Amino acid sequence: EADIYQTPRYLVIGTGKKITLECSQTMGHDKMYWYQQDPGMELHLIHYSYGVNSTEKGDLSSESTVSRIRTEHFPLTLESARPSHTSQYLCASSDQGSTDTQYFGPGTRLTVL
Amino acid sequence: SQKIEQNSEALNIQEGKTATLTCNYTNYSPAYLQWYRQDPGRGPVFLLLIRENEKEKRKERLKVTFDTTLKQSLFHITASQPADSATYLCALLLDSNYQLIWGAGTKLIIKP
Repeated sequence: EADIYQTPRYLVIGTGKKITLECSQTMGHDKMYWYQQDPGMELHLIHYSYGVNSTEKGDLSSESTVSRIRTEHFPLTLESARPSHTSQYLCASSDQGSTDTQYFGPGTRLTVL
Repeated sequence: SQKIEQNSEALNIQEGKTATLTCNYTNYSPAYLQWYRQDPGRGPVFLLLIRENEKEKRKERLKVTFDTTLKQSLFHITASQPADSATYLCALLLDSNYQLIWGAGTKLIIKP
């Protein structure tokens, strides 16, 4: 089991609320990622980071933002949640090796009413 | 267009038989191809990686083949068990930007 943690596991909130999804890893990995996944669909990369103070947007357009102040912590924030944000959010990390094998957290299932 | 295709229909296999899953891709030049297992409500778990210059890789009951001419990888589970039931994802690591591109996965059901 990988040492990567996400909280909360489940979240139901109303439209317009600000939320932060937490992700932490204890493996000392420099690379971290946020993916969005709907049931039966592929993972879509929404943000990634190659290290402290490094953040990039992924292929999927997202209204979320991320920060990377510490190596182990990579939170994702939605300033104003909408029903279209309802999805599963998965955090992952990988080391600096060239194969980019990724280790995933358990995910946060977000429902916006 | 660039895409990765995995069979969207669930694969039903009798316990003890070999399960074979397919991953096809178009218009990519992968440096590596990876296979992951995902259980319902959980994040994917890495299983095997195969490089572009490798034809086959094995790990216990798992075997992966990679044919860059056909642009296809096959994932085999021998002596399948009900505990092998899960969704299996393939992912390509592109040699252009070292980003992982994911397939949607194939659901495997092993019946006792």
